[in-house]
Amino acid sequence: SQTIHQWPATLVQPVGSPLSLECTVEGTSNPNLYWYRQAAGRGLQLLFYSVGIGQISSEVPQNLSASRPQDRQFILSSKKLLLSDSGFYLCAWSVGGNSPLHFGNGTRLTVT
Amino acid sequence: DQQVKQNSPSLSVQEGRISILNCDYTNSMFDYFLWYKKYPAEGPTFLISISSIKDKNEDGRFTVFLNKSAKHLSLHIVPSQPGDSAVYFCAASARRTGNQFYFGTGTSLTVIP
Repeated sequence: SQTIHQWPATLVQPVGSPLSLECTVEGTSNPNLYWYRQAAGRGLQLLFYSVGIGQISSEVPQNLSASRPQDRQFILSSKKLLLSDSGFYLCAWSVGGNSPLHFGNGTRLTVT
Repeated sequence: DQQVKQNSPSLSVQEGRISILNCDYTNSMFDYFLWYKKYPAEGPTFLISISSIKDKNEDGRFTVFLNKSAKHLSLHIVPSQPGDSAVYFCAASARRTGNQFYFGTGTSLTVIP
């Protein structure tokens, strides 16, 4: 069966520091991968998605970037965090077509 | 621009009664719709989906209805149970034009014992 791992679960970082969140999927090949963010009291905002290695689409211009160095690995990064980057970050995968998204357990990022 | 909207931030229902959660969308290219349940500090869990070729899909206590002409979908939970208390998100995707999934802002459901 397929599983998704996302870490760390919580993270507290100072303003201006770098960020790296990692997500890996097991049990499937060539999944579509996604990064979402849920800001406090808000819905799920699509940040990036990828349909293959090295293929990244950005939905919202911002202080973040994403990379997919391997088929089942998706990384969310920032060179310098802003206070507004605080939120709950979720990685998800799908096999496409009539297939739902499946989410990881998320990372709570607090930028101080 | 919010393409998927959930206009009710919260809903309270007595245990055993029906819960109806609503969702509206603006993009006529959306052809696949989903509902998710989310507890605090956890990722959303997939509940049920519907393709635009259908107007109803049922799975146990959960039924999703799709009204394409009104660009509206709803989730019915019957009977509601206290364990159903959570935030529910609707989502939509236009499979013919991309792989993105767009989510509403969520409705917090409280089922009162």
